[in-house]
Amino acid sequence: DTEVTQTPKHLVMGMTNKKSLKCEQHMGHRAMYWYKQKAKKPPELMFVYSYEKLSINESVPSRFSPECPNSSLLNLHLHALQPEDSALYLCASSQDTGRANVLTFGAGSRLTVL
Amino acid sequence: GDSVTQMEGPVTLSEEAFLTINCTYTATGYPSLFWYVQYPGEGLQLLLKATKADDKGSNKGFEATYRKETTSFHLEKGSVQVSDSAVYFCALSDLGSSNTGKLIFGQGTTLQVKP
Repeated sequence: DTEVTQTPKHLVMGMTNKKSLKCEQHMGHRAMYWYKQKAKKPPELMFVYSYEKLSINESVPSRFSPECPNSSLLNLHLHALQPEDSALYLCASSQDTGRANVLTFGAGSRLTVL
Repeated sequence: GDSVTQMEGPVTLSEEAFLTINCTYTATGYPSLFWYVQYPGEGLQLLLKATKADDKGSNKGFEATYRKETTSFHLEKGSVQVSDSAVYFCALSDLGSSNTGKLIFGQGTTLQVKP
């Protein structure tokens, strides 16, 4: 299995809702990432988990809350989002965080905040 | 800090034309360099990579050579197909002492290939 699976593919939520994005990989990778991508822009790193511990938080607002329940799963909990948070959210994984490691990306969850 | 600069798009070519997408980087050390491709409605896929100077990465007819002297990693393909239409991102790995695994992306170049 060489895939990163993200669910749901599409999510529409209001500003008062609480929802979660889920990501799963079964490649034995020990690093997992959340990226945010706006239209026609490169992905922006949000969080990095290394060996199930949060190693990077790129000053992301607290309305985004990551969680890594085990080495195969990564969640992103969403609460009180703003319309400007609408974007494609990409999960990725890699063997570890070494500089030559290749990231494997999921297809993304497209989020619309009304 | 480290950065990646890509040629602005969109790039529009006819099928079987030669493709070059320029990428230059700024880094204090010896980064690994990558090209990722994003097809419409999908996530990013690794196209090729190079981890040290003079390495050539290649895949699916695409090539790029890590040129330390010119700090470049230009993407080339001899004959493009309509199916190559996508957004191409050049990226380098972060070399922070904490070995963060962070990728620094260029702005992306949209390629459109017409039949």
